[in-house]
Amino acid sequence: DAGITQSPRYKITETGRQVTLMCHQTWSHSYMFWYRQDLGHGLRLIYYSAAADITDKGEVPDGYVVSRSKTENFPLTLESATRSQTSVYFCASSETSLSYEQYFGPGTRLTVT
Amino acid sequence: QQQVKQSPQSLIVQKGGISIINCAYENTAFDYFPWYQQFPGKGPALLIAIRPDVSEKKEGRFTISFNKSAKQFSLHIMDSQPGDSATYFCAASPNSGGSNYKLTFGKGTLLTVNP
Repeated sequence: DAGITQSPRYKITETGRQVTLMCHQTWSHSYMFWYRQDLGHGLRLIYYSAAADITDKGEVPDGYVVSRSKTENFPLTLESATRSQTSVYFCASSETSLSYEQYFGPGTRLTVT
Repeated sequence: QQQVKQSPQSLIVQKGGISIINCAYENTAFDYFPWYQQFPGKGPALLIAIRPDVSEKKEGRFTISFNKSAKQFSLHIMDSQPGDSATYFCAASPNSGGSNYKLTFGKGTLLTVNP
């Protein structure tokens, strides 16, 4: 199906482990974004990418790494997970030549124990 | 520094009533102001958006009012329905400086519409 997908949808990991959240979009949108959603904080931008091999930090990048070797994929890696990274993570994409609208994936609920 | 302040945090409205959510911003470089709607277990989805060259935009029961001098904008939901129960986020994006298309979100308002 066309659209934006995230995997896994749910993940439990232990403190100190590395974990990668996957994001895939089928629209060939140039922009992709990673947000985390926490109660009381709304949506906060972690990293974004304007095109393949172009990434930049958002508001809360510490502890996260991203890469974008292909336009359609934008994985987010937690190098050494901490309990403060327990959150719901959303990936989004946008075709900025058409509009500013961002299309969000269904989210990944990550719990760090 | 929170650049977009949203209120209230939660709102309970009776069916048929008017729901009003307010947002204020500080960065005068913002020039695109969308509202996103999020249902439980889903990602946010664009509901309606406005640019500062107009003071109001209406789409069905949803209206954005924009006050550029006060740096405030609000979402009005007329004839609120139980199906409108969701979390609503206001957001803003700048128009230049290499930060185009980056959205800064408010903290969200949980709207409950009672039948």
